[in-house]
Amino acid sequence: SQTIHQWPATLVQPVGSPLSLECTVEGTSNPNLYWYRQAAGRGLQLLFYSVGIGQISSEVPQNLSASRPQDRQFILSSKKLLLSDSGFYLCAWSVTAGVVGAYNEQFFGPGTRLTVL
Amino acid sequence: QQQVKQSPQSLIVQKGGISIINCAYENTAFDYFPWYQQFPGKGPALLIAIRPDVSEKKEGRFTISFNKSAKQFSLHIMDSQPGDSATYFCAASIESYGQNFVFGPGTRLSVLP
Repeated sequence: SQTIHQWPATLVQPVGSPLSLECTVEGTSNPNLYWYRQAAGRGLQLLFYSVGIGQISSEVPQNLSASRPQDRQFILSSKKLLLSDSGFYLCAWSVTAGVVGAYNEQFFGPGTRLTVL
Repeated sequence: QQQVKQSPQSLIVQKGGISIINCAYENTAFDYFPWYQQFPGKGPALLIAIRPDVSEKKEGRFTISFNKSAKQFSLHIMDSQPGDSATYFCAASIESYGQNFVFGPGTRLSVLP
């Protein structure tokens, strides 16, 4: 079966410090990978998605970046955190091509709660 | 045109009541409409989904109603329970493009005991 891991679970960082959040997926190959940010009580903002190693699409301009160094590894980074970067960061994966007639879905990880002080 | 609108923003229902959450979209190319449920501090999980070839999909107490001409779909939770208290997101995608969903802003449901 497939599993998705995110770490750390919680993180408190000072403004201006760097950031590295990691997401790994097990039990599948060549998945699509996604990074979302969720502000408190708000919806899901898609930050980045990737369809393959080294292939990153950015959805919104920000001081964050993403990388996919391996097929099932997705990393979210920042060189200097801002207060506005605080939020709940979710990684998700999906199969590349859905199955006709089945439920096709994104599978979300447990999330990382980031607080920038 | 990529936006999915969702209402209400929050909803309070008594135990045993019916919870109704509505969503609307503009892009007629969307052909897959899932609903996700998220409990506090957890990642969202797929609840139920529908394709536009049917007007209704039911799974247990959860039903999606779909109106293709109005470009609207809704989630009905029958006999709502306190354990249903969560945030619900509707979403839409073009299936042939993969699972790149456009999510609605979410509805926070509270079911009172």
